[in-house]
Amino acid sequence: QQPVQSPQAVILREGEDAVINCSSSKALYSVHWYRQKHGEAPVFLMILLKGGEQKGHDKISASFNEKKQQSSLYLTASQLSYSGTYFCGTESAAGNKLTFGGGTRVLVKP
Amino acid sequence: DTAVSQTPKYLVTQMGNDKSIKCEQNLGHDTMYWYKQDSKKFLKIMFSYNNKELIINETVPNRFSPKSPDKAHLNLHINSLELGDSAVYFCASSLQGVRTEAFFGQGTRLTVV
Repeated sequence: QQPVQSPQAVILREGEDAVINCSSSKALYSVHWYRQKHGEAPVFLMILLKGGEQKGHDKISASFNEKKQQSSLYLTASQLSYSGTYFCGTESAAGNKLTFGGGTRVLVKP
Repeated sequence: DTAVSQTPKYLVTQMGNDKSIKCEQNLGHDTMYWYKQDSKKFLKIMFSYNNKELIINETVPNRFSPKSPDKAHLNLHINSLELGDSAVYFCASSLQGVRTEAFFGQGTRLTVV
């Protein structure tokens, strides 16, 4: 079953912060985050493995709460380049594939 | 030097035709994938191969047949194309399985008319 991402869309001013959430109904082994710009391929941001580890990529960080089967992506001091659609991909404990959420569209304005 | 390349980038064809999309990766990765992204941007796994062996085959119609001649190549052949097959198809690869970073090709936009 597909993970649920929220919000579906967010508009930010440069320098503002945002949080994108990803929830699954299944137990998770890992959560992956990708960003896709319009007309381009998804680009890897980070993987979080079971263990509640928090990772960072520039001013983008993420957390993984395996008990709640949730992950959150934090966009801090957003830049224009952060605009795009963010996808979480979840790996359930039972499988060896990624199931992607429906995406969160982020638009950062000057 | 492109890491994951797929051809063609655009494909417009009539219903009922057969077409192929080619994918090559020069990263030395063991695992390759085909994903389908529909008009609503949902990204869904179709197939996954590890060292030329099929490991994931999602509920994809039999008209779709992947072929991996070696671990650097994963091609997708589609028979009897239907309107609903219109989508962007992404090839991707990762070093070893799903728990490693995936690199995506630029996508093939397939339009069936």
